[in-house]
Amino acid sequence: GAGVSQTPSNKVTEKGKYVELRCDPISGHTALYWYRQSLGQGPEFLIYFQGTGAADDSGLPNDRFFAVRPEGSVSTLKIQRTERGDSAVYLCASSPGPDSTDTQYFGPGTRLTVL
Amino acid sequence: GQNIDQPTEMTATEGAIVQINCTYQTSGFNGLFWYQQHAGEAPTFLSYNVLDGLEEKGRFSSFLSRSKGYSYLLLKELQMKDSASYLCAVGGHTGGFKTIFGAGTRLFVKA
Repeated sequence: GAGVSQTPSNKVTEKGKYVELRCDPISGHTALYWYRQSLGQGPEFLIYFQGTGAADDSGLPNDRFFAVRPEGSVSTLKIQRTERGDSAVYLCASSPGPDSTDTQYFGPGTRLTVL
Repeated sequence: GQNIDQPTEMTATEGAIVQINCTYQTSGFNGLFWYQQHAGEAPTFLSYNVLDGLEEKGRFSSFLSRSKGYSYLLLKELQMKDSASYLCAVGGHTGGFKTIFGAGTRLFVKA
């Protein structure tokens, strides 16, 4: 079956602009995670959804970052007033259920470049 | 605090065995994962340990000691395609659902 998909694959924007990154999880997966990964580093946790609700948003760096998952499937990560330091690969992962020990299946990521 | 340590780089020869170590200090623990990540690609799941001991899966094995905060990933019969980054991650932190990843170990397999 289809895996996790993310769009766009690449996004170049200017400092101060607003961006939206989309994630389509594996069908039926109730848990969804957002991470960001900088070169040479591991993925950095941002937010976790169980169904429609954000069960843990403790990784969001500041209030410029926001994520939604209104119908419990597709999720959108929104970044306001982008800064050059936001440049990274943004990864989305989904897992079958609410158990935090479930295997996570990652999407290919969106490479965000803020000029 | 939360900290995961693993070597930055390792080099090994095709056909050999390599062990990648990971030590962790976290506020909660519900399991330890190993993921493989090829350059420019997404991480893919390799193994999961929640109890002490060795889990074997084909050419890959993973070991966990919770009392020591220590895990290793063992790769046998190395192939060139095993050249990748190997990420150690701790899941299920107390009070939240964070999965904390280490920076990864870049493994180079040479002929």
